[in-house]
Amino acid sequence: SAVISQKPSRDICQRGTSLTIQCQVDSQVTMMFWYRQQPGQSLTLIATANQGSEATYESGFVIDKFPISRPNLTFSTLTVSNMSPEDSSIYLCSVPEEAPGEKLFFGSGTQLSVL
Amino acid sequence: QKEVEQDPGPLSVPEGAIVSLNCTYSNSAFQYFMWYRQYSRKGPELLMYTYSSGNKEDGRFTAQVDKSSKYISLFIRDSQPSDSATYLCAMGGEPGGYQKVTFGTGTKLQVIP
Repeated sequence: SAVISQKPSRDICQRGTSLTIQCQVDSQVTMMFWYRQQPGQSLTLIATANQGSEATYESGFVIDKFPISRPNLTFSTLTVSNMSPEDSSIYLCSVPEEAPGEKLFFGSGTQLSVL
Repeated sequence: QKEVEQDPGPLSVPEGAIVSLNCTYSNSAFQYFMWYRQYSRKGPELLMYTYSSGNKEDGRFTAQVDKSSKYISLFIRDSQPSDSATYLCAMGGEPGGYQKVTFGTGTKLQVIP
């Protein structure tokens, strides 16, 4: 299984600012995913980050709000832009096992609070 | 109707009890089923994985899938305080290769010593 390091683990931010979350994997992976976990809600996929191409966003999520970088096969960042209190959530980085790919491994998450 | 329904709990049981966690789903295209365990301030970790109806056992944990009823369960025998966590059911489409995974909302379990 992959070891995923995510930082920061938590942060408190002011409305209107931006936060960049980093995700580092201990092995090269083709796909990386970013999820949001809000209280009482199921894990929701924000986007899929592929190395060398634009991220693919799920319905309800846009690049201007959640820009993603994927500079290489072991690293990705998610930025939460122009934050509002509604963005307070846990953000999780995830990678699938390389083969066959159904199982997901997760980082420890970033607890974000927006005041 | 949500694709996956899971009782949020919280569920509080005494140590040694048998715990039953359940999810129902509406999408008959789901072919594989998982249970994740998430400790406080940690990411989810895969606990059980199965792609067929029936039971799969791993130590004190048993995953049960009934595709005809669109119902899955996780049983924990001889529950321990270390089992206190949130349990998420998850499911996806055709086996083989990455498919989008749909999660339940999670059931918070507390095992009282």
